Parts: sequence; C-alpha cells; structure tokens
Amino acid sequence: AQKITQTQPGMFVQEKEAVTLDCTYDTSDQSYGLFWYKQPSSGEMIFLIYQGSYDEQNATEGRYSLNFQKARKSANLVISASQLGDSAMYFCAMRVEVGGNTPLVFGKGTRLSVIA
Amino acid sequence: DGGITQSPKYLFRKEGQNVTLSCEQNLNHDAMYWYRQDPGQGLRLIYYSQIVNDFQKGDIAEGYSVSREKKESFPLTVTSAQKNPTAFYLCASSLTGVLAEAFFGQGTRLTVV
Repeated sequence: AQKITQTQPGMFVQEKEAVTLDCTYDTSDQSYGLFWYKQPSSGEMIFLIYQGSYDEQNATEGRYSLNFQKARKSANLVISASQLGDSAMYFCAMRVEVGGNTPLVFGKGTRLSVIA
Repeated sequence: DGGITQSPKYLFRKEGQNVTLSCEQNLNHDAMYWYRQDPGQGLRLIYYSQIVNDFQKGDIAEGYSVSREKKESFPLTVTSAQKNPTAFYLCASSLTGVLAEAFFGQGTRLTVV
C-alpha cells in the first residue's frame, strides 16, 4: 500500500520569501507519480506540479518546483517568491502504476500562511 | 468549457435519509473518483471507477454507494448506514496513466442534522 506523510500541519512565510513544504512517500512500486495540489479556502483542488519516478530532473512550473530525492523517498514542494494568494492548504499525493488507473493517495496536508 | 461539475454546493439532510451527490464531467475521462475530506484531514478515497459499469471500493466505502452507467456521470449516494456523513465531498476524474493529473469538481459540503 502507498502512504504519503506531510509532517508540517502549518507553516508561515514572509511575502516574497521562498518556502519548502515537506512530503515523504512510501511505496514498493518502481513506477509512480508524485503530485502537489493547492486547496484555497473555497475548497477547490488546484493541480500545481507532478514528478514521475523515472524523471531525473526536478519538475518546475513557474514559481513551483518539486525537489525529488528518490533515495530518501521525498518530494518536497518549493514555492519561490511567496505571494499573499499562496495562502492555502497544500496536499502531496501519489499514484502507482499497478493494473490500470489507480487512484491518487493523499497526505493530510500543510496549511501555508503568507504574511505581508 | 471542459470540466467537472458537482451539485449541489451545499446540502442539508436529516439524519436517517439517503442523499445523492451529483458528479458530471465532459473531459472524456475514463476514470472517476470520490473523496471525502474532514477538517484537518487529507482526502480519503470512497469509491473509484476505471471504466463504465465498473467500480471499486476505496478505503472508506462503508455507508456509501455509487453507479457508473455513463462515462460522464458518477453519482454518490450517502446512505443512512453512514454513521458520520457530515463532510466535504470531492469528485475527480483523470485520463489513464501514472502521471495523469486528477481534475476536481468544486465539492459538495454535506451537513446532516
């Protein structure tokens, strides 16, 4: 079974600073994908970035980058130049490639608060 | 615009009543999912469907039922057997593949009184 662990229930960051949200995962499968989602107070889930287990380079999407360390089984999200609009819940998730379309497994999330 | 539509956004029901949450997608995705979210918790999987007329139980399927008669639709029924149904429910869909992102609806907040 897969498991995602997010050890930071809440984080604070100053506006314009960078912040790292931690995520560790556990799986015995070799092929898997790692995802980050943002959930504002409105409740919608917004996809941010993904990384494949066979990708050698870290994924980047604008101000978001995924620091993928396979040996440590970690997939931390780095947000550069934080903005007030980045205040939200952030969820790390994974999917393994076993028998078709397996569902995403989510961590419990980290609440990020950006301070002006 | 393509996307996933959940309705209603807010739902109130009396204890002991069954209630059905709607989820429709026009993204032509084969797979659809239902998650439940409680305060301070992540998303927990209730049911998922990889193809029409087929679905599998997730981690917390007890007290819930689903159907997948059409590719576009995956309704969730919260039955009276669900002991604590008050929660935020999210529906999602995706293409096939380990790197396929899931697209989510805006959620339904169910309150049972």
